[in-house]
Formats: sequence, structure tokens, C-alpha cells
Amino acid sequence: GESVGLHLPTLSVQEGDNSIINCAYSNSASDYFIWYKQESGKGPQFIIDIRSNMDKRQGQRVTVLLNKTVKHLSLQIAATQPGDSAVYFCAENLGSGSARQLTFGSGTQLTVLP
Amino acid sequence: DTAVSQTPKYLVTQMGNDKSIKCEQNLGHDTMYWYKQDSKKFLKIMFSYNNKELIINETVPNRFSPKSPDKAHLNLHINSLELGDSAVYFCASSQYSGAEQYFGPGTRLTVT
Repeated sequence: GESVGLHLPTLSVQEGDNSIINCAYSNSASDYFIWYKQESGKGPQFIIDIRSNMDKRQGQRVTVLLNKTVKHLSLQIAATQPGDSAVYFCAENLGSGSARQLTFGSGTQLTVLP
Repeated sequence: DTAVSQTPKYLVTQMGNDKSIKCEQNLGHDTMYWYKQDSKKFLKIMFSYNNKELIINETVPNRFSPKSPDKAHLNLHINSLELGDSAVYFCASSQYSGAEQYFGPGTRLTVT
């Protein structure tokens, strides 16, 4: 099975509300996590990352929370806008040296309702 | 200025054919990757190259052969295409293995 998974495959929110997308990971050795946004017909785009020595990191309208105790990652989007509609992936970085690679979760489709 | 580019964007071909997808990055990155995204949006790494050297080769049929003529290019050649090869293929690059990856726009391959 996949080492990175998402709790909800789809999420619908009203425009202006906050969105929370969750992700569970299984490998306690993972030390780096990234959230990507993929709009329809495009490649994944980096949103925000966090290292395992941090619990929280904030960007512009986005916050990533990391709970290593329960191996859980979340992405919070403040004041969700129509342009936020996309598939969101969490990814964990495993391995060492040149063999480090990203393992992606299955994605959550976020739909922003008018 | 496109950071990671792929050609073609769409590729429709018949079973048994051989096709190539090209990827170029102008970011000066050392590491490049190929991913396959299936119809359920699941992204799986296929290969990674670091300075033209193959680093990661996941369980991929040997009909798939990556080639890196230089650090800025990583092409994917597929022999004897099968229906199950239909997917979107993404190229990506990063400054080094484990760093943030930048993705290309994808190549939608349809095998009929």
C-alpha cells in the first residue's frame, strides 16, 4: 500500500471559508513534507513545505501543520477562493543522499462553491 | 520563461508503436524525474537522474527507457506501447535529490 494517504478524496467549501486538507503518513523516518496543488491540465505546483523539526509553517493564506506523534499532516487554506479549486497532494521525502525521492498521497479534490 | 517543458503535450498512438517524450529544464537543476499519473490522479515516480546518472528506477517495465543526454534533458522512450500505458506523464526537476521539485505541464498519452 501507499505510505502517504489522504482522509478525504473530495472536499467542497464555500468561497470565503477556510479549507482543511488532511494527510496521513506511515513512515516515521520521513523528515520533509511538501504540499502540491494541481490545477486541471497542469503539472503539480509547489505550495508549501515543512521539515520534521517544525510543527507549523505559514505561507500566504496557507498553513501546514505537522503532528509527528500521530503522523498527520494538514494544509489549511484561509478565505478559500475559486482559484483554489484543484487537486492537492501531500508528499513525503524518504531515502538518503541521491536516492531521496518523493512519495505522493492520492490527492484531494477541492471544489470552491460560489 | 518555461522552467520545465515537455513535448508533446498530447500523444495518441496505437498499441505496439514506439514513442518518445522529451523534457527540458532551464533551472540549472542537477536532478530530473519522470512520473506517471493514472486516471485517479495517483502520481508514481518512475525514474530519477542525477547529473545524467540513473539513480532511481522503480518497478517499471523495461519497455520504458529514459535517456539523459545532458543535465538539462531527460527523455522517455517507450517501446511496444500497451493500453495500460495510457496516462499523463510528468517530468520534474530539483536542485538536488530531496529538494523541492518543479513539474512540467505533462504529456497525456493515449494508446488505442
